[in-house]
Amino acid sequence: QSALTQPASVSGSPGQSITISCTGSSSDIGASNYVSWYQQHPGKAPQLVIYDVNTRPSGVSNRFSGSKSGSTASLTISGLQAEDEADYYCSSYTRSIPYVFGAGTKVTVL
Amino acid sequence: QEQLVESGGGVVLPGRSLRLSCAASGFAFSTFGMHWVRQAPGKGLEWVATIWDDGTNQYYADSVQGRFTISRDNSQNTLYLQMTSLRAEDTAVYFCARLHKTTATIDYWGQGARVTVSS
Repeated sequence: QSALTQPASVSGSPGQSITISCTGSSSDIGASNYVSWYQQHPGKAPQLVIYDVNTRPSGVSNRFSGSKSGSTASLTISGLQAEDEADYYCSSYTRSIPYVFGAGTKVTVL
Repeated sequence: QEQLVESGGGVVLPGRSLRLSCAASGFAFSTFGMHWVRQAPGKGLEWVATIWDDGTNQYYADSVQGRFTISRDNSQNTLYLQMTSLRAEDTAVYFCARLHKTTATIDYWGQGARVTVSS
C-alpha cells in the first residue's frame, strides 16, 4: 500500500485561504469516506482536525474544512493564522490495512 | 481529559528487543481499539499495529509482521508494543493512538516514545 501524495509545502499570508491536496487511489480514498486530517506542530503529537472527509471534532476551529472528489481529498484552512503553521497529514482507511498516511505538508504562514 | 503517555523508548543495538508501554487515563480504555503509529526522523507517519478493545484481534504492517507484538492489559489501562529483531529502519518516534469510538479514525495520540536502533 503506497503512501498518499501530498504537496511538500504550502504557504499563505495571514487571512488568506489555502488548500492542501491528498491524492490516493481506488483502493483507499476513492473507496472510503474515512478520510482524516491531522495537524502536527514540531515535537508534538498529531491532533485530529477533520475526520470522515468533512467532519470537525469538537473544539476545532471552523476555519478548517475538508472535501473529497474521486481519489483526491482536500483540506482548506481559511483565515490563515500564525498558529496554523504546522505539518498536516492526511490519512485514509483502506481495504488492505487500517490506515495509510500522506507524507505530510508543511504549511508556512508568511 | 483523555491522556496517553508512552514510555520505554531508548537506544538499542540491531537485533535486540525493546518493549514500549502506553498508559491511558481519562477515558474507558477497555472499550477502545488502540494503535501504534511510528514516524521515522524527518518522515511521515506509518501505521504499525492495531488491537481490538478486548484484545482478541491484532493486525500488523508487513514491515513489522512476525517481529512486533501488540498487546494490552485492560486492568492496568496499558497498551504495549513488544519489538524484537530490531533493525535500523525501525528507528522512529512511536505514538500510541486511540481509535475513534464510532468511525475509522484516530482521535487521540500520545506524545511519542523515541526508539533508536544503532550499533
